[in-house]
Amino acid sequence: EVVLTQSPATLSLSPGERATLSCRASQSVSSYLGWYQQKPGQAPRLLIYDASKRATGIPARFSGSGSGTDFTLTISSLEPDDFAVYYCQQRSNWHLTFGGGTKVEI
Amino acid sequence: EVQLLESGGGLVQSGGSLRLSCEASGFTFSNYALSWVRQAPGGRLEWVATIGGSGESIFYADSVNGRFTVSRDNSKNTVYLEVASLTVDDTAVFYCALSGLVTFHFDFWGRGTLVTVSS
Repeated sequence: EVVLTQSPATLSLSPGERATLSCRASQSVSSYLGWYQQKPGQAPRLLIYDASKRATGIPARFSGSGSGTDFTLTISSLEPDDFAVYYCQQRSNWHLTFGGGTKVEI
Repeated sequence: EVQLLESGGGLVQSGGSLRLSCEASGFTFSNYALSWVRQAPGGRLEWVATIGGSGESIFYADSVNGRFTVSRDNSKNTVYLEVASLTVDDTAVFYCALSGLVTFHFDFWGRGTLVTVSS
């Protein structure tokens, strides 16, 4: 099973600041990594797929990078609506796994 | 518009079972894989199972293999998850999720159905 480790667990920032979230895989997942945003009481929403491609309707301030075992989600300038929990997820094989999440808080 | 609507959750005693349903609309149901993903209260997301469009390809997480059974009825646009031998650790919101329509990650999610297992 591929273990995904996200860091930091919590990121305390202000609107307008840049957020950098990390996801590290226990073995290579090539570029088969996605990022989701989840707000309280809601289902997750896909932001980034295949490491660096923005999903439909996702603002350009969200970007993803990386391949192999190290990945980054960057939010260039935080909007108030961006404060949420972010999860990474790999689909390199059919034992899909998620990271533990990073909470971005004010 | 893609819609996924889960139902069937509720309160069940340890050792019990339930059948969860996910009714889908807005896409050609039989062409796409559907998955179940669960989330314990305050916890991380955990993939549970995936069933291919024809129902022939099925995959389970190790933590539920042998206890949970995923199936689908393409004539009813519905996917099912039978959960059995439940323990308190299975308490979670169970989401239905669609992949392959736009990307091979989870493009669309339902709102979830809560399963609470009491001891």
